[in-house]
Amino acid sequence: GAVVSQHPSRVICKSGTSVKIECRSLDFQATTMFWYRQFPKQSLMLMATSNEGSKATYEQGVEKDKFLINHASLTLSTLTVTSAHPEDSSFYICSAARGGGNEQFFGPGTRLTVL
Amino acid sequence: QKEVEQNSGPLSVPEGAIASLNCTYSDRVSQSFFWYRQYSGKSPELIMSIYSNGDKEDGRFTAQLNKASQYVSLLIRDSQPSDSATYLCAVNNNFNKFYFGSGTKLNVKP
Repeated sequence: GAVVSQHPSRVICKSGTSVKIECRSLDFQATTMFWYRQFPKQSLMLMATSNEGSKATYEQGVEKDKFLINHASLTLSTLTVTSAHPEDSSFYICSAARGGGNEQFFGPGTRLTVL
Repeated sequence: QKEVEQNSGPLSVPEGAIASLNCTYSDRVSQSFFWYRQYSGKSPELIMSIYSNGDKEDGRFTAQLNKASQYVSLLIRDSQPSDSATYLCAVNNNFNKFYFGSGTKLNVKP
């Protein structure tokens, strides 16, 4: 299979704090991982693409200093939302692509609520 | 112009009918095409991929690709209420850049 996990599945935090979300490919090596954000009743919005061992590529309008992405290994990428504010409350979903493959496999998502 | 366009729906079909979902894309060099299903509050789940012109069948699902018309479709035969979800079309241009449509909401009525 191609299983991707995310942790935590749900997090509630106070405004101004930082939150780290982990994305792991459990049974394959992911050369590329993607981070998406989805607001209620809206489509997926790609935030950034990360390749193992290199800096992430951010989409236009996404602040790289606010959304820190680290892809330290072929099975783990992390997204840190720094100084979170209520408007950052959203459903964050990661996906992973197998090396040489075209398919993306999604993690179960992390629902972030910033009070 | 968006890279991938889908009708947002909702598309309503009775149980047992064929549901037809459509998608157009703008980049002619796109090579890989995918359909994902997303239930409310959940992340997308890959249900079909197609890479060459024609039809590809998997159980009750058939994906159809027409590169000349830049058109991808998904047919769901014998639709079930459990098929009710939002269906996302995705296109990969082989530079590891994926583009998703906004999704079509499907309602299958018992």
